Amino acid sequence: GAGVSQTPSNKVTEKGKYVELRCDPISGHTALYWYRQSLGQGPEFLIYFQGTGAADDSGLPNDRFFAVRPEGSVSTLKIQRTERGDSAVYLCASSPTGSGANVLTFGAGSRLTVL
Amino acid sequence: LAKTTQPISMDSYEGQEVNITCSHNNIATNDYITWYQQFPSQGPRFIIQGYKTKVTNEVASLFIPADRKSSTLSLPRVSLSDTAVYYCLVGDRNTGGFKTIFGAGTRLFVKA
Repeated sequence: GAGVSQTPSNKVTEKGKYVELRCDPISGHTALYWYRQSLGQGPEFLIYFQGTGAADDSGLPNDRFFAVRPEGSVSTLKIQRTERGDSAVYLCASSPTGSGANVLTFGAGSRLTVL
Repeated sequence: LAKTTQPISMDSYEGQEVNITCSHNNIATNDYITWYQQFPSQGPRFIIQGYKTKVTNEVASLFIPADRKSSTLSLPRVSLSDTAVYYCLVGDRNTGGFKTIFGAGTRLFVKA
């Protein structure tokens, strides 16, 4: 597609539920990133994929969070046993390669609210 | 990863030039400097990127001194629509991807 697409744009769930957030990157972009942004803060790195593999998942806060990118394109961020503290905007970005000189293109984000 | 420091907020008026300075004292040889802009309810958007000296595009200019320990984003004649958060990032261009650290950014508020 023309840009990075994220669905759903808004998700309200109850504490303890399971949530999936989807990211559809720009076609041909091999690098894909997930970030989490809380109100008034900058985006916080969660995980980076190069192709199908997670090249760096050091930002995932705990084992309730994991992400997949099985075919090297679409990625899904999965959150188990959601907690109120997981409420945030989850941003996805992609770039042509993983090089630091590459520019990240972000989606509009998925706003997660855990009640 | 090089850490960046920016002012938390800045105010300006329409038509003025705005300069936002970012400090990155431990920048490494292979690091590039990139600035992003973020509006409410949107993801960050790339503005400009540079390695040294001066870079200019249709939106902004980026000034980088010889020691590269800081950089200044210059927005000429801002308008109300430039009200946004501006992030300075530093990253290694040679590694296979980098853990982009955004920090809190600089909140620019442009007044009429």
